[in-house]
Amino acid sequence: NAGVMQNPRHLVRRRGQEARLRCSPMKGHSHVYWYRQLPEEGLKFMVYLQKENIIDESGMPKERFSAEFPKEGPSILRIQQVVRGDSAAYFCASSPGTESYNEQFFGPGTRLTVL
Amino acid sequence: AQTVTQSQPEMSVQEAETVTLSCTYDTSESDYYLFWYKQPPSRQMILVIRQEAYKQQNATENRFSVNFQKAAKSFSLKISDSQLGDAAMYFCAYNPGTASKLTFGTGTRLQVTL
Repeated sequence: NAGVMQNPRHLVRRRGQEARLRCSPMKGHSHVYWYRQLPEEGLKFMVYLQKENIIDESGMPKERFSAEFPKEGPSILRIQQVVRGDSAAYFCASSPGTESYNEQFFGPGTRLTVL
Repeated sequence: AQTVTQSQPEMSVQEAETVTLSCTYDTSESDYYLFWYKQPPSRQMILVIRQEAYKQQNATENRFSVNFQKAAKSFSLKISDSQLGDAAMYFCAYNPGTASKLTFGTGTRLQVTL
């Protein structure tokens, strides 16, 4: 059973470009979470999605950031018009959503560098 | 809002010795879950141990154990017989249960020396 897949692992963008980060959850998992880790900091929650629905986006910046988890295909975190402050590691986690303890399995992360 | 505090930015332990990493949290919930995650230089987040708040018994996983003090809202991680491969960032995390986000502390960087 493959783990959570994220691609690309490294992404370099110039200011003003768009960044698209992809996450394929573990097989059988229908819940996806995105977290951001700034350098030398802990992970901060951004958004929680189930298939075709955004459940909690309380950690998502109001502008330039969006996320989706379509019926078919991976979850996408999209950052428009990137700025240097968006440089960070972005982690995706998935869970089956059936256990009360909600163990989340993390992908290897995408490291975004904005020049 | 729930908060998680790790007051030790860095810790050091000699190989084969024991080290304890501290974590406190704040919540008004009575049922919740606490986790310790390890992040080695590869940056992959690895679950180390989990504790259910309704369980009085402290969780144990091989060389890793926790000291869970619910009234004090404290959740420390003890690593016994430390190994070089234990060197990593360790994050404490809180989750109120099904279908909820994790709230992480700021992490403790553990160094293991010979």
